[in-house]
Amino acid sequence: DAGVIQSPRHEVTEMGQEVTLRCKPISGHNSLFWYRQTMMRGLELLIYFNNNVPIDDSGMPEDRFSAKMPNASFSTLKIQPSEPRDSAVYFCASSFIREPQHFGDGTRLSIL
Amino acid sequence: ELKVEQNPLFLSMQEGKNYTIYCNYSTTSDRLYWYRQDPGKSLESLFVLLSNGAVKQEGRLMASLDTKARLSTLHITAAVHDLSATYFCAPPINFGNEKLTFGTGTRLTIIP
Repeated sequence: DAGVIQSPRHEVTEMGQEVTLRCKPISGHNSLFWYRQTMMRGLELLIYFNNNVPIDDSGMPEDRFSAKMPNASFSTLKIQPSEPRDSAVYFCASSFIREPQHFGDGTRLSIL
Repeated sequence: ELKVEQNPLFLSMQEGKNYTIYCNYSTTSDRLYWYRQDPGKSLESLFVLLSNGAVKQEGRLMASLDTKARLSTLHITAAVHDLSATYFCAPPINFGNEKLTFGTGTRLTIIP
């Protein structure tokens, strides 16, 4: 059974460029989460969706970040324009309600 | 705002020894999750504890939850090298919520 699939695995881009991270959740899961992990701030929840609807986006750092979930099998996290301080590992996770979240392998993002 | 404190943050222990990681959190919650992360890898779910007094065991790891004390523990018995990893506890931000707050993590190193 395929787990949560994220792409790309690594992204290196220059400051000011648009970055799009993609996530395919586990089939049937109705909750999807985007996290960011850095050494300084640990693991932070950016936004989560339930049944494709954004429920809590209070962790989105600023307007440069946006996330969508157009259907139950796909979500994107977009950063525009990107800045060096956005460099981090971004994880997508999915779950059934009240069940453990299953994490993807993450996208390692470097903004130069 | 929910605060989640793990201690110790770093732990080096010899193979064969026992130790306990503590997770204190500041709000009422109905459940708690434990995750493991190997360096450069994703997070893997270990346990979900669903009620006060819950105890779960898997191999050399045993987790417990005391919702009244707002405390969870992860006990390691007769440690072996392949348990070296970072361990995170994660309660929901409040009762019934899907949004988790992850602790700072405990980096465990098992020394032969």
